[in-house]
Amino acid sequence: DVKVTQSSRYLVKRTGEKVFLECVQDMDHENMFWYRQDPGLGLRLIYFSYDVKMKEKGDIPEGYSVSREKKERFSLILESASTNQTSMYLCASSLVLGQVSYEQYFGPGTRLTVT
Amino acid sequence: QKEVEQNSGPLSVPEGAIASLNCTYSDRGSQSFFWYRQYSGKSPELIMFIYSNGDKEDGRFTAQLNKASQYVSLLIRDSQPSDSATYLCAVPYTGGFKTIFGAGTRLFVKA
Repeated sequence: DVKVTQSSRYLVKRTGEKVFLECVQDMDHENMFWYRQDPGLGLRLIYFSYDVKMKEKGDIPEGYSVSREKKERFSLILESASTNQTSMYLCASSLVLGQVSYEQYFGPGTRLTVT
Repeated sequence: QKEVEQNSGPLSVPEGAIASLNCTYSDRGSQSFFWYRQYSGKSPELIMFIYSNGDKEDGRFTAQLNKASQYVSLLIRDSQPSDSATYLCAVPYTGGFKTIFGAGTRLFVKA
């Protein structure tokens, strides 16, 4: 059974804190993604990684950074949390065929509240 | 700017009816298309994918693809209250690793 796990289901942090969200997949997938999902705005891509130590900005990278030191693990870092980063954060992974991503498998999500 | 468009709904159908969910995409080179279901408070899960023009059936679900019209749809036959969810259309970029997700259509199946 394929699996993507995220370090926390719920997280409450204070403004200005550094926040780490971790994601681990056990499917040996090349690609990993971080999205945030807000009501009415759908899934928005923050960053993705297509190989170990390789990363690319998504559509809304400002205020975030990522780290991928091992193939199975992809971390999202909020350098200085702000209230507008309160959201549901979803991690996903996928195989690659050629240079096109195949289906994505999602983790359960982390609901982050910044107060 | 590559886009995937869906009617946000909500789409309301009675139990037992056919629910029809539609999606259009802008990238003419797209080759694969995915439908995800997302229950409230949960993460998306894949329910169908389609690569070739025409219909693909899996149980009560049928995906339809028309590449000339850049249109993909999902039909749910004999809709059940448990089908009530948001359905996301997703189209991988050609020449890149990203996937573009539509904003999703909320479906309500009334018992």
